[in-house]
Amino acid sequence: DAGITQSPRYKITETGRQVTLMCHQTWSHSYMFWYRQDLGHGLRLIYYSAAADITDKGEVPDGYVVSRSKTENFPLTLESATRSQTSVYFCATRSGRGAVLYNEQFFGPGTRLTVL
Amino acid sequence: AQTVTQSQPEMSVQEAETVTLSCTYDTSENNYYLFWYKQPPSRQMILVIRQEAYKQQNATENRFSVNFQKAAKSFSLKISDSQLGDTAMYFCAFIKNQAGTALIFGKGTTLSVSS
Repeated sequence: DAGITQSPRYKITETGRQVTLMCHQTWSHSYMFWYRQDLGHGLRLIYYSAAADITDKGEVPDGYVVSRSKTENFPLTLESATRSQTSVYFCATRSGRGAVLYNEQFFGPGTRLTVL
Repeated sequence: AQTVTQSQPEMSVQEAETVTLSCTYDTSENNYYLFWYKQPPSRQMILVIRQEAYKQQNATENRFSVNFQKAAKSFSLKISDSQLGDTAMYFCAFIKNQAGTALIFGKGTTLSVSS
């Protein structure tokens, strides 16, 4: 009954390296989201996905790539990491079904990424 | 575009007292949801309370309640009988009731509860 898992929980990398953050859910929720959290900005949407093979940009997509070949996985890749991408990254899901829970999102534990 | 504003970056309260966190939002939508999330030092995002815009009655969850003023676009969170475990960052969030939309967050309010 894990719900949403993210890996790694902590990551230190260097400028210019490629980094992939993993997100896995056990609920088969339709929607998945990636947010980044920075002091003074709250959480901002990077990318989201409505279903397998359907993705779209959020507020801050530059420098990031996503894919969703399977419903349960939604990896986020930083193709060439920059210091400005140092942040805490949250994956979230939303069921897309049911009147009351339709708009509630469930969050993973977060990944703290440091780019040196 | 929708925006969410939390005007209090930090607040502090003594145990057992009541504290109110402010949130205002801007939208032209009529059908939406509002949430308060708690983020303790563990970083986990925990849903505290939700409010459907079409409901006039203010939501309540144990010691947590909201004052939802739709016309004023205000959505404050009241924490009664504050406990040390309430120490956390609190985020107000908005979402349109529409497929494919994501939460829009305020910048957060850090609440410290002291004994």
